[in-house]
This record gives sequence, structure tokens and C-alpha cells, in this order.
Amino acid sequence: NAGVTQTPKFRILKIGQSMTLQCTQDMNHNYMYWYRQDPGMGLKLIYYSVGAGITDKGEVPNGYNVSRSTTEDFPLRLELAAPSQTSVYFCASSYSGRADQPQHFGDGTRLSIL
Amino acid sequence: RKEVEQDPGPFNVPEGATVAFNCTYSNSASQSFFWYRQDCRKEPKLLMSVYSSGNEDGRFTAQLNRASQYISLLIRDSKLSDSATYLCVVIRTGANNLFFGTGTRLTVIP
Repeated sequence: NAGVTQTPKFRILKIGQSMTLQCTQDMNHNYMYWYRQDPGMGLKLIYYSVGAGITDKGEVPNGYNVSRSTTEDFPLRLELAAPSQTSVYFCASSYSGRADQPQHFGDGTRLSIL
Repeated sequence: RKEVEQDPGPFNVPEGATVAFNCTYSNSASQSFFWYRQDCRKEPKLLMSVYSSGNEDGRFTAQLNRASQYISLLIRDSKLSDSATYLCVVIRTGANNLFFGTGTRLTVIP
């Protein structure tokens, strides 16, 4: 049981390049989330999904896009990379959005935009 | 005002010490509360939920004070392996109403 898997683990991009951060989970969780964590800061929610075909914005969605074509996968797309998007990105999933359901996190993707 | 506030620390304590962290939240509609642990350059992992009546898991005790809008985490008999950042998480209704504190860093010294 792999849990939540993120790829790549590290990436360096040039300003203006695009890339997709991959996230997949094998726990049959309905809810999936993308967060970013800047140094010394808490996690900020970028986008979330309550099920296949449904996505919604979180606190900091600008500059990102997501899709949820299957229950397992929730990729995060950066179209025009900017230095402000240098961060550590975490994908998470939970069985439901109920307030008492904890989230399971992937290992993170460390992204630098130069 | 931030949704969730934590003292960033760092807290440097000797092995065997007892240490307590507090976390305050601003919205009285908050429903659920958790403590997560995050090791350096790793993902957050659930440490424990926080129940209204308070709860204990081994050396760890979590408490909730709804009237004053804060939660606490007490660690007894600190171990070197307890060194990490402890994140407070507060949830209101809805999947997008989950808020992380910035974390409190703990270092347990031999």
C-alpha cells in the first residue's frame, strides 16, 4: 500500500516554463488536496477536489490549474512558472471531507524557479 | 488576524523534560482540531486528534479549550526522537476550511 505518491521529488524550472506535478493515491480516497509550504510558513491550500470531475479553488490558486479525471490522480499544473512559486508542494488525500478525517500526505515536491 | 497562530519557537529542552505548546484559533465555528508532526524536509504526519474532553496517547496529551479558543499539546519525558516541528490544524465545515499553523519547532537535547 503506497499511500500518496508524488513525482518528481525535486525540480528546477526556468521562469516561464511549465510543468505538471503528479499525485496519485491508492487508498480510494474521494478528497484530494494540493498545498504549498514556504520556508517557516504553514501549509496553504492551492486547490482541492471532492471527487472525480470536481475541483475547487483553495486559498492561493493563482498561477495553478488542476484536473481530476480519476479517483486516484490529481495533477497540479504550473503554466508560466514564476519565482514566487518556488516552494515545497504537498499532495494529500482523505476518505471524506468530514471534519474528523485526517489527511494523508505525500513526500512532497521541492520546486525551484530560477 | 490569522486563522491559526502558534509560537514558532524554537523550544530547546533536555531529554526527559516536559514541554507544552499552545495554538490559538480565531474562528469560534471551528469544529475539529489536530496536531501533526513534521520532520525536517519531510511531509506532515498526523500525531493525534484533539477531543473536547482532552485525550492522551502515551507521553502525549492534547487538550481543547473552546471558551478561550486554544488547543495545547503536552509532551512528557521528552525523547531525542521527539525533535520535530509540531503543526496545529483547525477545521471548520467543508473541505476547503482547513487551516494549518506555521508550526512550533522542538529540539530535544541530550
